[in-house]
Amino acid sequence: KAGVTQTPRYLIKTRGQQVTLSCSPISGHRSVSWYQQTPGQGLQFLFEYFSETQRNKGNFPGRFSGRQFSNSRSEMNVSTLELGDSALYLCASSPNLRGHQETQYFGPGTRLLVL
Amino acid sequence: EDQVTQSPEALRLQEGESSSLNCSYTVSGLRGLFWYRQDPGKGPEFLFTLYSAGEEKEKERLKATLTKKESFLHITAPKPEDSATYLCAVQGGFGLIFGQGTELSVKP
Repeated sequence: KAGVTQTPRYLIKTRGQQVTLSCSPISGHRSVSWYQQTPGQGLQFLFEYFSETQRNKGNFPGRFSGRQFSNSRSEMNVSTLELGDSALYLCASSPNLRGHQETQYFGPGTRLLVL
Repeated sequence: EDQVTQSPEALRLQEGESSSLNCSYTVSGLRGLFWYRQDPGKGPEFLFTLYSAGEEKEKERLKATLTKKESFLHITAPKPEDSATYLCAVQGGFGLIFGQGTELSVKP
């Protein structure tokens, strides 16, 4: 079974721009979560999508948004980029078969650099 | 407030020198404790899920255990290829809550 895939793998943007990152979950997985990883803050939860609905959201500003499509693929968008948004953005999927969060499997991440 | 603390921050071992990594947690109602391994520039790789105190799981040279307040990742006779950052996480109210990780270096 193919793992979680994320595109693009690397991205360079300038302050004020916006960016869209894409994630394809493991086949059959219905839940997709996004995380931001930085050296100072570690891994922090951004949001979770299930059946095209945002189910949970972390403590991030409204500039960070996402969506999920009917095939479970997900995108996240960051508008008005700031230098502090430079990070590794990770997507994770889980089967979510029992109505609660289960083991999450991570993709390779998208490395975003904001200049 | 849900919280995860890992220790030590960094650990250097000689090949074959067994040791343990610690993960202390506070969470209202544990719904899962997860161990991941992360290599530089890559996404976390799933290792174990533990759900209840007393539970143990093993995989090759790794063994994870769980108590009501902490989890241990025991590494037996490590090899250089075990060098990585090991992350512990608990299922919080909103997504996984991660510790800062333990950076393990195993020298031949």
